[in-house]
Amino acid sequence: GAVVSQHPSWVICKSGTSVKIECRSLDFQATTMFWYRQFPKQSLMLMATSNEGSKATYEQGVEKDKFLINHASLTLSTLTVTSAHPEDSSFYICSAEAGGQDEQYFGPGTRLTVT
Amino acid sequence: QKEVEQNSGPLSVPEGAIASLNCTYSDRGSQSFFWYRQYSGKSPELIMFIYSNGDKEDGRFTAQLNKASQYVSLLIRDSQPSDSATYLCAVRMGYSTLTFGKGTMLLVSP
Repeated sequence: GAVVSQHPSWVICKSGTSVKIECRSLDFQATTMFWYRQFPKQSLMLMATSNEGSKATYEQGVEKDKFLINHASLTLSTLTVTSAHPEDSSFYICSAEAGGQDEQYFGPGTRLTVT
Repeated sequence: QKEVEQNSGPLSVPEGAIASLNCTYSDRGSQSFFWYRQYSGKSPELIMFIYSNGDKEDGRFTAQLNKASQYVSLLIRDSQPSDSATYLCAVRMGYSTLTFGKGTMLLVSP
């Protein structure tokens, strides 16, 4: 099956700093990648959709200047949480789909803790 | 507003029994249906997808789709304790993003 990796798997940062999370499709080219956030015992919340070479589309209520997404290649998308605050602490998960395919495959997630 | 509804559970079944997980969706134009499994603290893992009315079987898993009733289900035969997880139903219409249900927690007791 399709494999998606994320790095780092967990990160602790101080309030006010920025954190970059990488999402890679390892064995396929991902024309579209998605970023989700999940708080404990809650459902997945889609943050944004990114297509290679174009600007990300953010869901309503998600600050695009705070959550910077770059989909620089067909195998790599990055999410940068800028000026992180404790309320940004969450489980961030990316997913990817190949062109012409309907299935989304999820990365293992990144657990962010902001102190 | 697209909605995907699932009973939050927990659904408790004994080992070896059939677990039946259900999902309803509001958008009649939905075309693709997915079941994901999510263990606590982990990301979702795709189990099955189904596009056409009827049943689709893969090992111990069977997905059932009834578009007229806007209903999709997942049956897990010979349930094992390792199947204990939250099962997420996801629905997609055309090229839109996936809409996820909140998930049903399944507990399989030895």
